[in-house]
Amino acid sequence: AQTVTQSQPEMSVQEAETVTLSCTYDTSESNYYLFWYKQPPSRQMILVIRQEAYKQQNATENRFSVNFQKAAKSFSLKISDSQLGDTAMYFCAFMKLNFGNEKLTFGTGTRLTIIP
Amino acid sequence: NAGVMQNPRHLVRRRGQEARLRCSPMKGHSHVYWYRQLPEEGLKFMVYLQKENIIDESGMPKERFSAEFPKEGPSILRIQQVVRGDSAAYFCASSQGLGVADTQYFGPGTRLTVL
Repeated sequence: AQTVTQSQPEMSVQEAETVTLSCTYDTSESNYYLFWYKQPPSRQMILVIRQEAYKQQNATENRFSVNFQKAAKSFSLKISDSQLGDTAMYFCAFMKLNFGNEKLTFGTGTRLTIIP
Repeated sequence: NAGVMQNPRHLVRRRGQEARLRCSPMKGHSHVYWYRQLPEEGLKFMVYLQKENIIDESGMPKERFSAEFPKEGPSILRIQQVVRGDSAAYFCASSQGLGVADTQYFGPGTRLTVL
């Protein structure tokens, strides 16, 4: 079974600064995907970024980028030029490639607060 | 194109009553996943369904919980004889199911409170 660990329950950063959220995972699979989801106070789960394990290049989406270290089983999220709207819970998630059944395994989350 | 719809958004039940949670996937999506989020925790997988089929229910409690996704209409998560420990947010997600690692789009969740 896969496990996902987020060791930072809470973080805060000043607006416009850069912040990095950490995530490690444990799996014996070689083909998988990793995701970061954001859950703002509205509680809606919003996909931030995804990474294919077979790709060495780190994924980026505007101000969001990841540092994917496959050997270390590490998948951190960097948010640049942080904005007040980035305040949310952030969940790291693992998806084992299994045609027809690709359930997500989530970490416990990091509560990020952007300070004006 | 409407997103994933869930209703009700909030549901209050007394112990022993039944709770029915509904999920309408995005248009064109035939795969539905249900997840449960206990207070201050991450989401935990419960069940995965395709139209008229339960594919994986390994995360669902063996008793009192059931799920369906009929040919017509929304997916239903049903909890019989609710207990206080069932209080949680229940999310469904849908995907197209056409490729590998399809992105799952989440609904806004149903917050169940058991008195």
